[in-house]
Amino acid sequence: EADIYQTPRYLVIGTGKKITLECSQTMGHDKMYWYQQDPGMELHLIHYSYGVNSTEKGDLSSESTVSRIRTEHFPLTLESARPSHTSQYLCASSETGASYTFGSGTRLTVV
Amino acid sequence: DQQVKQNSPSLSVQEGRISILNCDYTNSMFDYFLWYKKYPAEGPTFLISISSIKDKNEDGRFTVFLNKSAKHLSLHIVPSQPGDSAVYFCAATYQPNDMRFGAGTRLTVKP
Repeated sequence: EADIYQTPRYLVIGTGKKITLECSQTMGHDKMYWYQQDPGMELHLIHYSYGVNSTEKGDLSSESTVSRIRTEHFPLTLESARPSHTSQYLCASSETGASYTFGSGTRLTVV
Repeated sequence: DQQVKQNSPSLSVQEGRISILNCDYTNSMFDYFLWYKKYPAEGPTFLISISSIKDKNEDGRFTVFLNKSAKHLSLHIVPSQPGDSAVYFCAATYQPNDMRFGAGTRLTVKP
């Protein structure tokens, strides 16, 4: 079954730790995205990729980085987590860019 | 700069009645509009979309209306069911990788 997977679903981590949020999709989509969402707020695009070896920053300034070495995999890394990074992170993929398929999200809490 | 606005954070309706969720946008370049539905602890899922060349699109109990002159779209759910209780996000785009989302409206359908 074609789908998009995010792990972990929930993460509580201490300040200063390095973390990687995983995102994988089985649909062969070239376009992939990372969004950040705080409760009651709109989704903010923080990174996107057109395909392998292509990554771009989105509208929202983010201290995270991404990589796209394989079509199906688009991990997001925070080198040094801070409480301001506490949020929900949503990964999405798209074949055309007109409609997105989202993963279930990772809810990150930095203490 | 919030280009897509959902001014009602929440809406409560009785089962069987009509739910109307509203969305306003500011960028006249947007040419494709979408509604996503999000349950707790899950990612948003695509619900229905409309192109700017249309003013109405219907899919079962869900109808989206677009008023380009007012830069306004709405989602009608008739009849509303308890399973429709979720957060609904409005989204708009005019080029790939530039989809903008509203802050969402939490719909509660009471039995």
